[in-house]
Amino acid sequence: QKEVEQNSGPLSVPEGAIASLNCTYSDRGSQSFFWYRQYSGKSPELIMFIYSNGDKEDGRFTAQLNKASQYVSLLIRDSQPSDSATYLCAVMAANFGNEKLTFGTGTRLTIIP
Amino acid sequence: KAGVTQTPRYLIKTRGQQVTLSCSPISGHRSVSWYQQTPGQGLQFLFEYFSETQRNKGNFPGRFSGRQFSNSRSEMNVSTLELGDSALYLCATKGGGGQETQYFGPGTRLLVL
Repeated sequence: QKEVEQNSGPLSVPEGAIASLNCTYSDRGSQSFFWYRQYSGKSPELIMFIYSNGDKEDGRFTAQLNKASQYVSLLIRDSQPSDSATYLCAVMAANFGNEKLTFGTGTRLTIIP
Repeated sequence: KAGVTQTPRYLIKTRGQQVTLSCSPISGHRSVSWYQQTPGQGLQFLFEYFSETQRNKGNFPGRFSGRQFSNSRSEMNVSTLELGDSALYLCATKGGGGQETQYFGPGTRLLVL
């Protein structure tokens, strides 16, 4: 089992709709969770991070975390063509001094105009 | 505040050669992590340096090495290059210890012929 799993997609969503991206992780002790967006040929760019169970909203983006289910998701409301990119879920281990990020392989999202 | 910079941005080498890549972190950031990104494997953690010491290491062969200088700049070296080393090499930096957000540089694209 991979440490961080994402559906590779591609996920196609009509413009203006809600895009839902999902991620599961295997290390139950993980504490920090990050969503990065990566455009083709570019480096990952941080979208959101979440530490606590529940929802965290930032503009059109909402991150949801359920530690009991070891599940984190990213919702993008009012999807725009500029949201078309690969979204990477990353998980940070809880051990002090071992704060390396483990990434999923990413979900490719396409917003259809 | 200037972002993370990486040099060179593009590099072409032949099998058996060695290569050195450089990463300059955001001012004040002391942690530098290196990642390899390939289409098949996604983003994989190489190692992390903090205050000139390697703090974490991924599952890469000894041909991959790194170091960090007193000004927090980091270099990674790959010796005896193989075709499979062709990848985008990314560095990411953060302030220090703890569950902090990492910020990525633009990457160095290495092609091994």
